[in-house]
Amino acid sequence: GAGVSQSPSNKVTEKGKDVELRCDPISGHTALYWYRQSLGQGLEFLIYFQGNSAPDKSGLPSDRFSAERTGGSVSTLTIQRTQQEDSAVYLCASSYNRVHSGNTIYFGEGSWLTVV
Amino acid sequence: GENVEQHPSTLSVQEGDSAVIKCTYSDSASNYFPWYKQELGKRPQLIIDIRSNVGEKKDQRIAVTLNKTAKHFSLHITETQPEDSAVYFCAASKGGGSEKLVFGKGTKLTVNP
Repeated sequence: GAGVSQSPSNKVTEKGKDVELRCDPISGHTALYWYRQSLGQGLEFLIYFQGNSAPDKSGLPSDRFSAERTGGSVSTLTIQRTQQEDSAVYLCASSYNRVHSGNTIYFGEGSWLTVV
Repeated sequence: GENVEQHPSTLSVQEGDSAVIKCTYSDSASNYFPWYKQELGKRPQLIIDIRSNVGEKKDQRIAVTLNKTAKHFSLHITETQPEDSAVYFCAASKGGGSEKLVFGKGTKLTVNP
């Protein structure tokens, strides 16, 4: 596609429910990233995929958070038993290959999650 | 781990003036430093980046300088325009198997007409 696509764009969920956020990276991009941005804050790294494997998942805040990537393309971020502090914008990004091979990271528009 | 500090948190300038945003990083192994611009409700977009093998890079009205010894890098915007108003984020990354960008907390730039 033309850019990184995320869905849903907005999600309101009740505390304790599970949510799934989807990311469709730019076609051909092997690297995929999830970041979280709380209101008025910077971007917090969650997880990095190279292909279908996740060499760096150090940013996942708790075991309620998980992510997978299948077919080297679409990724899903799952938050179980959501809490109010999970409310944030979840940004997905992709790059053609590793940033340190000279590639640029492109962000999606984000999924705005509100836990009530 | 890496820590990136960004200053100022807000910056207001008159149209036509220059704007400078500064970032410092803690991990001397970091070697990639991008700057992103984020307009309200929009995605962050890369505006310029620099790698550790150069000290300065320029693209029209935007330039970035890097001082590896002091572990700081700066964004310079000249001849500012109202459309430059946005939040700007700096970031640092060190590779070596970790591709993550560590971001500063952002600078809200307002350019007054």
